[in-house]
Amino acid sequence: GNSVTQMEGPVTLSEEAFLTINCTYTATGYPSLFWYVQYPGEGLQLLLKATKADDKGSNKGFEATYRKETTSFHLEKGSVQVSDSAVYFCALRATNTGNQFYFGTGTSLTVIP
Amino acid sequence: KAGVTQTPRYLIKTRGQQVTLSCSPISGHRSVSWYQQTPGQGLQFLFEYFSETQRNKGNFPGRFSGRQFSNSRSEMNVSTLELGDSALYLCASRRGQAFKETQYFGPGTRLLVL
Repeated sequence: GNSVTQMEGPVTLSEEAFLTINCTYTATGYPSLFWYVQYPGEGLQLLLKATKADDKGSNKGFEATYRKETTSFHLEKGSVQVSDSAVYFCALRATNTGNQFYFGTGTSLTVIP
Repeated sequence: KAGVTQTPRYLIKTRGQQVTLSCSPISGHRSVSWYQQTPGQGLQFLFEYFSETQRNKGNFPGRFSGRQFSNSRSEMNVSTLELGDSALYLCASRRGQAFKETQYFGPGTRLLVL
């Protein structure tokens, strides 16, 4: 079946530290991969996406590369800010289930000054 | 362009009651999906509607139902509420069902069942 596994949180970093949030997936076919971010009290916002192997999605200093050989889509940012504190969700959209989305459980990030 | 709107934002119900939540998609979007978000289970897909027809359904009991109107607005209904139905219910819209279409989320309705 289709599923997404992402690293357990919470993650606490100091401002300007390097961020990695691991995400691996299981899917049939060729899914698209996404990172969404959820700020307190809000819904999910699309952060970045990649639709095929070796694609790199990027936005607001965040990057993730679609690695088919390792079935991974790890989120990285070189220098985090306090405003990056949020919950991050990795997700895939599968072709074999009517384009349904599957989400990881979320990783909470807190950046301290 | 206005985003996805959900009403109400907060709701308190008691066990056994029923509840209806509403979602207005972004103008021009015809696909609406519903998700349940809980701390233990994360985000779980409930169902998706496109052009007033249910296209996909997640693994939830029949107490959870939905519908979509001709203006693409959608409602979901939960009957005979249980304590475990307490969650954030998120609605998401996209323009169509093509694979490349991006999904946009609303702020959610937080339901508390007492």
